[in-house]
Amino acid sequence: EVQLVESGGGLVKPGGSLRLSCAASGVTFTNTWMSWVRQAPGKGLEWVGRIRSKIDGGTTDFAAPVKGRFTISRDDSKNTMYLQMNSLKTEDTAVYYCTTDGYSIAAVLDYWGRGTLVTVAS
Amino acid sequence: SYVLTQPPSVSVAPGQTAKITCGGNNIGSKNVHWYQKKPGQAPVLVVYDDSDRPSGIPERFSGSSSGNTATLTISRVEAGDEADYYCQVWDSSSDYVFGTGTKVTVL
Repeated sequence: EVQLVESGGGLVKPGGSLRLSCAASGVTFTNTWMSWVRQAPGKGLEWVGRIRSKIDGGTTDFAAPVKGRFTISRDDSKNTMYLQMNSLKTEDTAVYYCTTDGYSIAAVLDYWGRGTLVTVAS
Repeated sequence: SYVLTQPPSVSVAPGQTAKITCGGNNIGSKNVHWYQKKPGQAPVLVVYDDSDRPSGIPERFSGSSSGNTATLTISRVEAGDEADYYCQVWDSSSDYVFGTGTKVTVL
């Protein structure tokens, strides 16, 4: 069974930083592309960014609103992905979900975690 | 950027059929995926590649896509189907794009 567990959310002031983690189990993590998706309060789903598997280059892509402020990394030895969020803005307040990206179905966000809440407020 | 438009809400009586549309420019040329999102829970993929179902998803969930509209159909609606539903595609200029979301209410 695939399980994704996010952690690291909390309250942070505008301009601050936060690092989220996503621990994966039940997947061959080394070969798996991973993504982050967020949902602001009362809003819809928004894709944040992805990291490819190392065999596919380990490169990252980001949505325009977070490009240059967020980075994604992975530690395959720990089956864990990270989202480093810098220069946080109030509009970054959201539940952040980690997802597999094409694990069993190409180009689909097929498995999701339960999410972790990030609140950016003074 | 590529935009997907859904109706904000759809209401349906138990046992009836709910249809949720997703409008986008030439969406029929893209692979459309649908997710179910219940409060406090992780989203669940219910239809992928326009009309395929992941294992474990009831046959009551089906999808179609043509021209500028994709449709998720929920047949024989049950109380447990009450949720928000999002369509999603990949676009070369916008990467993953989600629709605006539709709240399905079971009367």
